[in-house]
Amino acid sequence: AQSVTQLDSQVPVFEEAPVELRCNYSSSVSVYLFWYVQYPNQGLQLLLKYLSGSTLVKGINGFEAEFNKSQTSFHLRKPSVHISDTAEYFCAVNPLARQGAQKLVFGQGTRLTINP
Amino acid sequence: GAGVSQSPRYKVAKRGQDVALRCDPISGHVSLFWYQQALGQGPEFLTYFQNEAQLDKSGLPSDRFFAERPEGSVSTLKIQRTQQEDSAVYLCASSLIREGGELFFGEGSRLTVL
Repeated sequence: AQSVTQLDSQVPVFEEAPVELRCNYSSSVSVYLFWYVQYPNQGLQLLLKYLSGSTLVKGINGFEAEFNKSQTSFHLRKPSVHISDTAEYFCAVNPLARQGAQKLVFGQGTRLTINP
Repeated sequence: GAGVSQSPRYKVAKRGQDVALRCDPISGHVSLFWYQQALGQGPEFLTYFQNEAQLDKSGLPSDRFFAERPEGSVSTLKIQRTQQEDSAVYLCASSLIREGGELFFGEGSRLTVL
């Protein structure tokens, strides 16, 4: 079975400061890794994903994440945040499966609050 | 529309009532998923369809939950004899059938059971 731990439930940051949202996972098989963002009263939107190749993945809105296999981590970073980045962020894993089924296992979420 | 559409957006039910939640996936998306998101939690997998076939229903919490996708497009999640613990946001997602393919989520149906 797979599990995802997001180490911080809430992260307050000042505008234009850097931010890191932490994610660790546990799995007995190889996984694909994802970060999703959820704005209030909206569905989840894909920020970025790691499937293979370079361990540094760049996504939308200036976010990036680094896959660290030895530490089973996939932390999300942004060098300078904006007020509009205030949202809930979810890390998710998908065990490599046949037929491409994207049965994602999500973490509990991290609420990122940007203060002016 | 171009995205995944869910209805109703909000539903209030009295305990014991039956509810039906609808999902219109993106046209051409073969895979369809239902997730349950309790307040303050991450989404949890309920069930998965490939076309009209329900390939995985391991996440359905009880036999009161039933999902169908009879023509391989629109899907309905039905909850019978609702309980307070069923209160949650129910998210639908669709994707093209390929590994690593992105899931596109709807805005969800928020169910409140009184």
